[in-house]
Amino acid sequence: AQKVTQAQTEISVVEKEDVTLDCVYETRDTTYYLFWYKQPPSGELVFLIRRNSFDEQNEISGRYSWNFQKSTSSFNFTITASQVVDSAVYFCALSEVDSNYQLIWGAGTKLIIKP
Amino acid sequence: NAGVTQTPKFQVLKTGQSMTLQCAQDMNHEYMSWYRQDPGMGLRLIHYSVGAGITDQGEVPNGYNVSRSTTEDFPLRLLSAAPSQTSVYFCASSPGLNGEQYFGPGTRLTVT
Repeated sequence: AQKVTQAQTEISVVEKEDVTLDCVYETRDTTYYLFWYKQPPSGELVFLIRRNSFDEQNEISGRYSWNFQKSTSSFNFTITASQVVDSAVYFCALSEVDSNYQLIWGAGTKLIIKP
Repeated sequence: NAGVTQTPKFQVLKTGQSMTLQCAQDMNHEYMSWYRQDPGMGLRLIHYSVGAGITDQGEVPNGYNVSRSTTEDFPLRLLSAAPSQTSVYFCASSPGLNGEQYFGPGTRLTVT
């Protein structure tokens, strides 16, 4: 069974729309960490956020926000007023004790922002 | 501060050849790892190291060797290249086992 599921393979929106990328995870640990990474067309991997399991506060960073809900095992990522430069593949990942803290990656969501 | 560097950026090998992908970091991170990324997939862990002299296998270690003689360097060796090893390889470092990982620019490897 997949431990990190990003059900949306590809999302396409028009610039300035808001968009939410879903991430659902599975773990038996009480202590774990969740991450989001961005991979633009140039190919590099850019760290966006790290959240531990004891901190359920939502996080906002400019146009980016993250909603962590333990009750639904989800860690969703919202981009407000999207821009063409947001076009990328976004990966969600999980780090848990059971897996010796190795990052377990989702398959990624390709986000296309049309001008 | 260069972060994580990888060489080469591109490489073409013939089946059976061996080579070493280089990775170095200047952030004094203890934790380093190697991933491969295949089209349409997330990253898969090949090998990782929690400090100089200590390495361990990840999800897909077969056909690859690593060593960690210094904190800075973590080379990945392909022993006998196979077409199935055609992929993009990323090296990463992290301040700790559960910390955020910082990635190098990647090496695109093609095995013919």
